[in-house]
Amino acid sequence: SQQGEEDPQALSIQEGENATMNCSYKTSINNLQWYRQNSGRGLVHLILIRSNEREKHSGRLRVTLDTSKKSSSLLITASRAADTASYFCATDPSMDSSYKLIFGSGTRLLVRP
Amino acid sequence: DVKVTQSSRYLVKRTGEKVFLECVQDMDHENMFWYRQDPGLGLRLIYFSYDVKMKEKGDIPEGYSVSREKKERFSLILESASTNQTSMYLCASSQPGLAVYNEQFFGPGTRLTVL
Repeated sequence: SQQGEEDPQALSIQEGENATMNCSYKTSINNLQWYRQNSGRGLVHLILIRSNEREKHSGRLRVTLDTSKKSSSLLITASRAADTASYFCATDPSMDSSYKLIFGSGTRLLVRP
Repeated sequence: DVKVTQSSRYLVKRTGEKVFLECVQDMDHENMFWYRQDPGLGLRLIYFSYDVKMKEKGDIPEGYSVSREKKERFSLILESASTNQTSMYLCASSQPGLAVYNEQFFGPGTRLTVL
């Protein structure tokens, strides 16, 4: 079953604008991770936020985590055409010690030049 | 850098054929995973392995089996391919020593078409 659900499913913005994607999950977690997937390729890890953290930055990426609402957001600032990809959140459930991650269905981001 | 490779980028097989998808990682990771990815459904876990010869079923193991004879290699087997197994297959690995982080490293994927 899918724990993470991203919103929106698809997003189209102009180059230079900010892109915000949201993720909701159902159970308690150790951490939440965001991955990126270029069309027809594997996933690449972008950023991880632990359950005791509220915000994290990496370059143009900003991730927030609200464990009380079981939600996270990924903000990409000053977007570029090269940011066009699908973005997935993945949760590491704290009650599961098997090192599995639960992936959502993803947000497809299109950045128009 | 961790490198995860998959034996084929594209594969076309006929219904009923036995299909082997191979995955190799070069960073001595103990955990390896097979996912399938379908539009609108995200990534669904088929099987994972936490050690040589050890395996556990994921969410959708029906119609699949796996083999892990060596630490670096994790094979996904479709015993008798069916058209509903047409999909993108992704392999990943992770290292339990980094369990608090649990980042997974993915291969490029194999797009399998079953005719």
